[in-house]
Amino acid sequence: DTGVSQNPRHKITKRGQNVTFRCDPISEHNRLYWYRQTLGQGPEFLTYFQNEAQLEKSRLLSDRFSAERPKGSFSTLEIQRTEQGDSAMYLCASRDGGRNSPLHFGNGTRLTVT
Amino acid sequence: AQKVTQAQTEISVVEKEDVTLDCVYETRDTTYYLFWYKQPPSGELVFLIRRNSFDEQNEISGRYSWNFQKSTSSFNFTITASQVVDSAVYFCALSEAGNQGGKLIFGQGTELSVKP
Repeated sequence: DTGVSQNPRHKITKRGQNVTFRCDPISEHNRLYWYRQTLGQGPEFLTYFQNEAQLEKSRLLSDRFSAERPKGSFSTLEIQRTEQGDSAMYLCASRDGGRNSPLHFGNGTRLTVT
Repeated sequence: AQKVTQAQTEISVVEKEDVTLDCVYETRDTTYYLFWYKQPPSGELVFLIRRNSFDEQNEISGRYSWNFQKSTSSFNFTITASQVVDSAVYFCALSEAGNQGGKLIFGQGTELSVKP
């Protein structure tokens, strides 16, 4: 169990640029989640995959955001035309299908939009 | 609507003191799950405990204990004999039964500072 891995750890970009983050879940976990955390707040749910199917998207996920999990393993989160308000920590988490299994989080990708 | 409130933004204690972190939740569901996570400075959220709404037994794990009271919609977390390594931000979270703990509603977090 190598844990949930996220890349990059930090990303600084200029307003208007596109960015893409990657998440590698724990290998046997079929459920993958993206959360966003701003300074001083708790994480907020963005979207959820079961295998390759995106089953739920939060209203927080505007049209500029898109997430994929093409082969049911790793996932990418892309933000197009970034805005300063997108600056946050983007957290990925995974869990297996067991009823009592908790979420395992990665270290996150910290995005700064200048 | 579901909501989790952690009224204590920051708590500072001296090592070996006991400390209780408060969590109050709101939900209309009769079946739900409650969680506590720890977020050390490294940023990774670490799972501490999960409780379902049917199980009101208090739980103790080493220096950690949890007090779940449905009557007051509270799920408080106590650290006994705190240590410097306990310094972190602690989050309480709520999940509907259908999500089984995947889609979580987090509180704002309580930043605990344990000084030597």
